[in-house]
Amino acid sequence: ETGVTQTPRHLVMGMTNKKSLKCEQHLGHNAMYWYKQSAKKPLELMFVYSLEERVENNSVPSRFSPECPNSSHLFLHLHTLQPEDSALYLCASSLETGFTDTQYFGPGTRLTVL
Amino acid sequence: DQQVKQNSPSLSVQEGRISILNCDYTNSMFDYFLWYKKYPAEGPTFLISISSIKDKNEDGRFTVFLNKSAKHLSLHIVPSQPGDSAVYFCAASAGSGAGSYQLTFGKGTKLSVIP
Repeated sequence: ETGVTQTPRHLVMGMTNKKSLKCEQHLGHNAMYWYKQSAKKPLELMFVYSLEERVENNSVPSRFSPECPNSSHLFLHLHTLQPEDSALYLCASSLETGFTDTQYFGPGTRLTVL
Repeated sequence: DQQVKQNSPSLSVQEGRISILNCDYTNSMFDYFLWYKKYPAEGPTFLISISSIKDKNEDGRFTVFLNKSAKHLSLHIVPSQPGDSAVYFCAASAGSGAGSYQLTFGKGTKLSVIP
């Protein structure tokens, strides 16, 4: 596997379910990101990790809980979501968190909350 | 309030002609700009960037122009090819400030190149 991979690619869950999104990067990067793209809205940054330490939490509700056990893996734990949380969730990684460090994106997880 | 705007949701261009995608921004702290391309069922891929100390950056068929006074940038693709058909996102960063990793994206423009 190369680049940034995300699993699952599609997820349908009820509002009372608990699920997790997984992201893995094979690029040797130190920074990882979660983005959300809702219909007809721009990509929005949710969380940033640098060397497994969270450096950004963009006012994201607590029903989204990120976890970065090492610099290659990033999880987004979901619980008691709302239908408006249905969106494409994209993971990205970059060498460091500098502005010239290109962010490489995974293919995303299409989440539907019923 | 959208800080990065791509006012054209879609654009159709004949193969071989020039494609011009536009982007406007409102935040004067932005000093680093990027274009990403996205195919269906794939994540965005980096295309080209420009720093505010330049007004033009070229990479093969792709050229980005920056007009700081107008807070406007554009991506030119010459010549356009059918494989260029994708959604193009403009993004901006306050590169010299804290949290420079924070990219602010536009909503995207869907480019269709007609053979």
